[in-house]
Amino acid sequence: QITLKESGPTLVKPTQTLTLTCTFSGFSLSTSGVGVGWIRQPPGKALEWLALIYWDDDKRYSPSLKSRLTITKDTSKNQVVLTMTNMDPVDTATYYCAQKRPRGGDYDYWGQGTLVTVSS
Amino acid sequence: EIVMTQSPATLSVSPGERATLSCRASQSVSSNLAWYQQKPGQAPRLLIYGASTRATGIPARFSGSGSGTEFTLTISSLQSEDFAVYYCQQYNNWPPLTFGQGTRLEIK
Repeated sequence: QITLKESGPTLVKPTQTLTLTCTFSGFSLSTSGVGVGWIRQPPGKALEWLALIYWDDDKRYSPSLKSRLTITKDTSKNQVVLTMTNMDPVDTATYYCAQKRPRGGDYDYWGQGTLVTVSS
Repeated sequence: EIVMTQSPATLSVSPGERATLSCRASQSVSSNLAWYQQKPGQAPRLLIYGASTRATGIPARFSGSGSGTEFTLTISSLQSEDFAVYYCQQYNNWPPLTFGQGTRLEIK
């Protein structure tokens, strides 16, 4: 059974750095073809893809946010970490981590999401 | 960046009837398109990938069609649990992966 769960602060101040952790089970991020990504959703709005890390440590970022994002993995802990610098109120959203379907670009397993509010 | 446009924004359909949702890409995405269902307070759920392949456990009343720039998600006979927001997503040309703005399917 594949599960993912996001964790991190629920409230950050403007200009601070956000660090979110995705802890997963049921698969290994050392298996060829496996990838874990982050997607966010502002309240009442659409989904926005942020970043993806592959089993071989290859990384992809949204071009519009690339300068602010870093994605890393700890295979031994079954975790993927996303950091986003210089947080702004417009970054208030539910942040999801999800497993990319092998050989596809869609995401077939999602965490429950974690709401991050950016406010002073 | 490929822009995905969904229509209509809101669709009102009676239970038992057919629902047809549309998604258009700003340039060809071949068949590299997925559909998701999202209910309030829940994560998205993958319904369709490869434009027409149902994901594991998805009922046969959900079907996807199209290629290139025009795609359709059809729900053949709406059940009460199908009323939700639906998103399309392209993965042909990325980053970034891009989603449509969603179609809200509501009870008529």
